[in-house]
Amino acid sequence: EDKVVQSPLSLVVHEGDTVTLNCSYEVTNFRSLLWYKQEKKAPTFLFMLTSSGIEKKSGRLSSILDKKELFSILNITATQTGDSAIYLCAVLYTNAGKSTFGDGTTLTVKP
Amino acid sequence: ETGVTQSPTHLIKTRGQQVTLRCSSQSGHNTVSWYQQALGQGPQFIFQYYREEENGRGNFPPRFSGLQFPNYSSELNVNALELDDSALYLCASSLGNSGRNTQYFGPGTRLTVL
Repeated sequence: EDKVVQSPLSLVVHEGDTVTLNCSYEVTNFRSLLWYKQEKKAPTFLFMLTSSGIEKKSGRLSSILDKKELFSILNITATQTGDSAIYLCAVLYTNAGKSTFGDGTTLTVKP
Repeated sequence: ETGVTQSPTHLIKTRGQQVTLRCSSQSGHNTVSWYQQALGQGPQFIFQYYREEENGRGNFPPRFSGLQFPNYSSELNVNALELDDSALYLCASSLGNSGRNTQYFGPGTRLTVL
């Protein structure tokens, strides 16, 4: 059975800290891995990763994929209270209309 | 704002009833996926529609059914509602179904089954 596992389940940090969120996967027909931020309802897209070793960056957020070891990390530097959210990763499949999400990491950033 | 809209925002039903949820995809997107998100869990894939055809299905019973219209908007129908169907229902639209295309989510419909 396909699995996407995120760790840690929750994390509490203070503003200015750097955090690393993990996503490991065991799936067949892997095509890409996506990261989302979910604050209230709709997950908002952060990154799509398809190739190993290529870091994607957006401001203080960055992410990288390791297709050999089957994991991805999401880094957030200089955290702010507005980064408090649930961070979800999801795997998309090759030519298959399905996706598998992890259960998310709940990040709380305290002032 | 992703351009994906869902209606209604909230809904309360009783066990055994039927419900229809609606999703309008982002302009130009021909693929809609539906997800169920229970409290404290990640979204669970229900099914995907690509160009009006079901293109993949997760582990949900047949009482979960869907439809996609020529304008690529979509409906999710759930029959014989059970208490465990209470959840946030999300739809996501994308251009194509190859797994290369980012999915953009709507704001969701919160369904409560009493």
